[in-house]
Formats: sequence, structure tokens, C-alpha cells
Amino acid sequence: EADIYQTPRYLVIGTGKKITLECSQTMGHDKMYWYQQDPGMELHLIHYSYGVNSTEKGDLSSESTVSRIRTEHFPLTLESARPSHTSQYLCASSEFGRGEQETQYFGPGTRLLVL
Amino acid sequence: EDQVTQSPEALRLQEGESSSLNCSYTVSGLRGLFWYRQDPGKGPEFLFTLYSAGEEKEKERLKATLTKKESFLHITAPKPEDSATYLCAVQSGGGADGLTFGKGTHLIIQP
Repeated sequence: EADIYQTPRYLVIGTGKKITLECSQTMGHDKMYWYQQDPGMELHLIHYSYGVNSTEKGDLSSESTVSRIRTEHFPLTLESARPSHTSQYLCASSEFGRGEQETQYFGPGTRLLVL
Repeated sequence: EDQVTQSPEALRLQEGESSSLNCSYTVSGLRGLFWYRQDPGKGPEFLFTLYSAGEEKEKERLKATLTKKESFLHITAPKPEDSATYLCAVQSGGGADGLTFGKGTHLIIQP
């Protein structure tokens, strides 16, 4: 059972607001990821981290930023939200290693609606 | 560029009617192929990881198989609670450790 948490679960916000989506995991995983998923579409990787002070951009260009100050915490920030940012944001984590250790476990997601 | 194509996009079955979902992939060096289940409004739930052609894994009514070009998720005698979207993803040997996902198969099991 994966112990990975995301808050808020739902967020409705006006254009131009700064928002932070929280993601925490209690499994001690070094690797963490953020994916974006539009309705009926694939998940796309937007950010990842291999550990504290490590952050990289993923395959899908995103205006969001991330930070990794603590192993268990990987927040995502949008400095100025726009309607085009409306989507579901999913956080995941995995261990370092090969094989079964690389399985990514997902949180419940945050549904963001920007008006 | 890694690609994953899932078919069919949607599948409606009667309870007890077995079937298979397909996942075709192209990847530069397969590190792993993953199957997830996603319920509406929730995050993906891990089901299986497969690593090499010929490998098979089972869990309750689900069985996943892998060839060099595709994977199948076989559902035997499904129940209504098996209704969900089933996602296939691959992890390649190059680049980031992120997964490349397909769009999923939306499965509905009618009682």
C-alpha cells in the first residue's frame, strides 16, 4: 500500500493567483515525480527529483516549478495561474534501484480549475 | 521517442465475459512495462511490472503478459468492481526515469 498524499484534492482559483500543490510520502523514497493528466488523455511527466536539492524538468513543458528541500516533500508551484493550467496533477514516488524497486506509486491527485 | 498505444479505447463486457486489453509499445531499451488501474477522480493504482519478453504475472482475475512489441492484460470472469480505466506505461533505458503512458482502456463490466 502506497503512502503518498496530495493536498488539496480539489482547487478552484482565479486567474493570476499563486498556488502551491502539496505532495508528501512516508515511504522514504528518494525519487519523486509530477505528472499532468487532462481528461481522457495520457499522463505526462512535468517534473522529477532524485533526492534533496535535485529537480529536473520532464518531457512536457510546464510553467510550474518544484522544490525538494526534504526527502518526503515535493511541492509544485504556479506563480500565476491561467485557465490553460486547468488539469489534474498527480504526484508519484519510487525507490532508487532496479526492477521492482522502480515501481512508481501515485497519490490521489489534485484537480485544478482556473477560472 | 517512446510511444504507447492501447486498444480498445473502451470496452463493455457482461459480468463473467473474459477478454483482453492490448498495449503496443516502442521504446529505446525497455526497463519495465507497467500496468495501472485508475478509478474516476483517483490516482493510478499499481497492478504489475513486466521486464522481459515471455514474462507473465497474475493477480486475482488479472493476468499480464509481455512480448517484444506488446503486452496484454487478460481479464478472466470479470466482476462489476473491475470496471475502471486500465493504463499501460513503459520506462526506457535512456533519459529520465519517468513513465510514458498510453491513453488507457476504459472498461465497463455490466452485471
